[in-house]
Amino acid sequence: NAGVTQTPKFQVLKTGQSMTLQCAQDMNHEYMSWYRQDPGMGLRLIHYSVGAGITDQGEVPNGYNVSRSTTEDFPLRLLSAAPSQTSVYFCASSYSTRGHGYTFGSGTRLTVV
Amino acid sequence: GQNIDQPTEMTATEGAIVQINCTYQTSGFNGLFWYQQHAGEAPTFLSYNVLDGLEEKGRFSSFLSRSKGYSYLLLKELQMKDSASYLCAPDRGSTLGRLYFGRGTQLTVWP
Repeated sequence: NAGVTQTPKFQVLKTGQSMTLQCAQDMNHEYMSWYRQDPGMGLRLIHYSVGAGITDQGEVPNGYNVSRSTTEDFPLRLLSAAPSQTSVYFCASSYSTRGHGYTFGSGTRLTVV
Repeated sequence: GQNIDQPTEMTATEGAIVQINCTYQTSGFNGLFWYQQHAGEAPTFLSYNVLDGLEEKGRFSSFLSRSKGYSYLLLKELQMKDSASYLCAPDRGSTLGRLYFGRGTQLTVWP
């Protein structure tokens, strides 16, 4: 099993550009989430999904869109990149039973100039 | 915010014991996760506590007091490789799948 795979690992964008961060898991996990991590801020939840076709907002959703058309994939779209979106982005997945820890991808380091 | 409170930084020496505390809101509480994150890497799962008391897993133990909204992670026989950030994440509310993290405690272990 590959676990949680995120692509790309690094990305530089210009302000105003759009892009999609990819996330795929092969563990048949129902739950998937996107977090961003900034120095001193810890992990902040952007969007999450409890199954295919079901998504909801976390604590910092503005500027990001998600969709979940399959169990395996949960892409994160930046509509119009801003320097404030410079961050490390982590995708994570978990079984739906309480107490199962999230498995994290290796992260995408995004710089917006 | 989620009112999850952890110390920002801690230091200790090899072989010592360190306790990392976490306080959180008790409303809607279901359980509490602890994660470890080495610099430049993804977080990895350490423990999940549901019941009050201490759970031991080798050198790492995690304690929970649900009524006080308090947990701690206890690391024994510290090693240099334990230098990392330790993240507390209370599993709260009826909405499954939504998990918020504290800002993490950066632990530095000195030789």
